[in-house]
Amino acid sequence: EAGVTQFPSHSVIEKGQTVTLRCDPISGHDNLYWYRRVMGKEIKFLLHFVKESKQDESGMPNNRFLAERTGGTYSTLKVQPAELEDSGVYFCASSRLVGGGPGNEQFFGPGTRLTVL
Amino acid sequence: GDSVTQMEGPVTLSEEAFLTINCTYTATGYPSLFWYVQYPGEGLQLLLKATKADDKGSNKGFEATYRKETTSFHLEKGSVQVSDSAVYFCALFRYQGAQKLVFGQGTRLTINP
Repeated sequence: EAGVTQFPSHSVIEKGQTVTLRCDPISGHDNLYWYRRVMGKEIKFLLHFVKESKQDESGMPNNRFLAERTGGTYSTLKVQPAELEDSGVYFCASSRLVGGGPGNEQFFGPGTRLTVL
Repeated sequence: GDSVTQMEGPVTLSEEAFLTINCTYTATGYPSLFWYVQYPGEGLQLLLKATKADDKGSNKGFEATYRKETTSFHLEKGSVQVSDSAVYFCALFRYQGAQKLVFGQGTRLTINP
């Protein structure tokens, strides 16, 4: 079974530009999450999709961030326009069961390292 | 709100040393607790978990016990290896309400031969 994949692995952009990150979850996983780790601090939740619907976007920093999940499969996270404080590592995770439960492990991708200059 | 506090790093040990990485949490209800590990160049991997008080999670020689009375989930290993060098994250998850992992700040561990 293929794992969670993310593209690109690294992105370096200038302040004011737009960047789009992509996440492909494990096939059949209904839950998809985005997290971010900034400057070696804790990993913070951004948002949660169940299939194509946003279940919880309470962690999205501001309206410069837009997440979509087309047809309940892959997801994109767009940052427009990017600011210096957006630099960090963006992780995507997916899990199988809707509704949670002790066995509902989240599987993480390798992350996208975003650097805004 | 929910939070996780873990031991500040970096931590450097010699091979075969005993390891403890402290983790405490604040949460309502009865969260599940996890340790994730990130090896260099890789994504986060679940190392071990415990879903209720007094449970002990274990994997690859690592152990952690869910202590509700002290709200702790300390990670231990009796004899570390160079291959254990990685960043370790403590996290909690509540199955009621917002279903998201809440992480600590991570502890970078380096094991010298």
